[in-house]
Order: sequence, then C-alpha cells, then structure tokens
Amino acid sequence: GQSLEQPSEVTAVEGAIVQINCTYQTSGFYGLSWYQQHDGGAPTFLSYNALDGLEETGRFSSFLSRSDSYGYLLLQELQMKDSASYFCAVQRYSTLTFGKGTMLLVSP
Amino acid sequence: NAGVTQTPKFRVLKTGQSMTLLCAQDMNHEYMYWYRQDPGMGLRLIHYSVGEGTTAKGEVPDGYNVSRLKKQNFLLGLESAAPSQTSVYFCASSLGGLAEETQYFGPGTRLLVL
Repeated sequence: GQSLEQPSEVTAVEGAIVQINCTYQTSGFYGLSWYQQHDGGAPTFLSYNALDGLEETGRFSSFLSRSDSYGYLLLQELQMKDSASYFCAVQRYSTLTFGKGTMLLVSP
Repeated sequence: NAGVTQTPKFRVLKTGQSMTLLCAQDMNHEYMYWYRQDPGMGLRLIHYSVGEGTTAKGEVPDGYNVSRLKKQNFLLGLESAAPSQTSVYFCASSLGGLAEETQYFGPGTRLLVL
C-alpha cells in the first residue's frame, strides 16, 4: 500500500518562513508533488520533485530525498494569502496519491 | 479557455436516488480523474481514465461508475446514493499522465445525501 504523513496544522506569522514536511511509503515511486487548496476552492499545483534536491519557484521551494522517502515544502516571506491547505502527493505510474493535508494559518 | 468545469456545483439527494456528475475539459488532455474529498481525509481517487473509451479503478471505486465516451468529458455516476457518499467531488485532468505533469482541477461538486 501507500501512505503519506504530513502535519495536520502549522501556524506562522506574516513574513516568516515555514516548512511543511512529508514522509511517504510507496512502491513504484516517480516523484513528489505539492498542491495548494484555499478553503472552498480547487487544488492547484505548486511544485514537483522527481530527483533529490531543492526546486525553487519564487517564494516557494520544495525538497526531496528519495533515500529517506521524505520531502518538504518551504514557504518564505509568508503572506496572509498563503493561509490554505497544502497537500503532498506521490506520483505512482499515472496517478497521484495525496496526503491528508496541512492547514497553514498565517497571522498578522 | 475554461479549463476543467464540473456540473452541478451543489446537489442534495435522498438515499437510494441516482445522479450523474459531469466533468468537461477543453485542454485536449488525455487523462482524467475523479476524486472525493472528505474532512481530514485529503483527496482520494475514485476512478480515472487514460483516454477516450477507457476507465480504471482508483482507491475508493465502490458505489461509483464512470464513463469516458468523449475525450473531453468524464462522467461519474452514483446508481444508489448512500449517506457515506456525502462529500466534495473533484474532477481533474492532465495532458498525458506523465509523472511530471500537472493535474488541473475543476471547482468541485458538493453532494449531500440525506
């Protein structure tokens, strides 16, 4: 089977840096994706890591260690609009398996 | 370019009733997916399709059927709705199902089964 673990909730203040961790167990692993979902909205793609290392996209970065079955999403210069749920997802063949999500609450 | 659209946005059903959820995409994507999202459970894959005329089971397929008669449409059917199927249903599509490809999600259908 497959399983992903991520914290259920993280809180931070505006301007801070926050890291959301994700550990996974799966077979046939292709890569790790991250999606953002605002309350009541649709999930939207943030980043994808197939190889070990850090991928940077603006204020967001994502890291993967295949040997540790571990990844994280790093959000810098937090803004109020970053308050949302963040899901890690393992890509296995042509489907994604999502974690249960981390709710990020950004306060002033 | 509308992306992924879903119909209806919201529906209330009685136990035992049937309904069909429609997903349409205008991006010429090959792969389409149906997920359900429940509080604290993340997104779980119900069924998916790798091309017109094909369907495959996901993680939680029981109680649902799907059809992909046209490339741009993916239908999700509930033959006899149960309260356990109360959920938010999301449709998604991707270009070819490759690992590095983004899945684009529709706005969701909120279903309440009484």
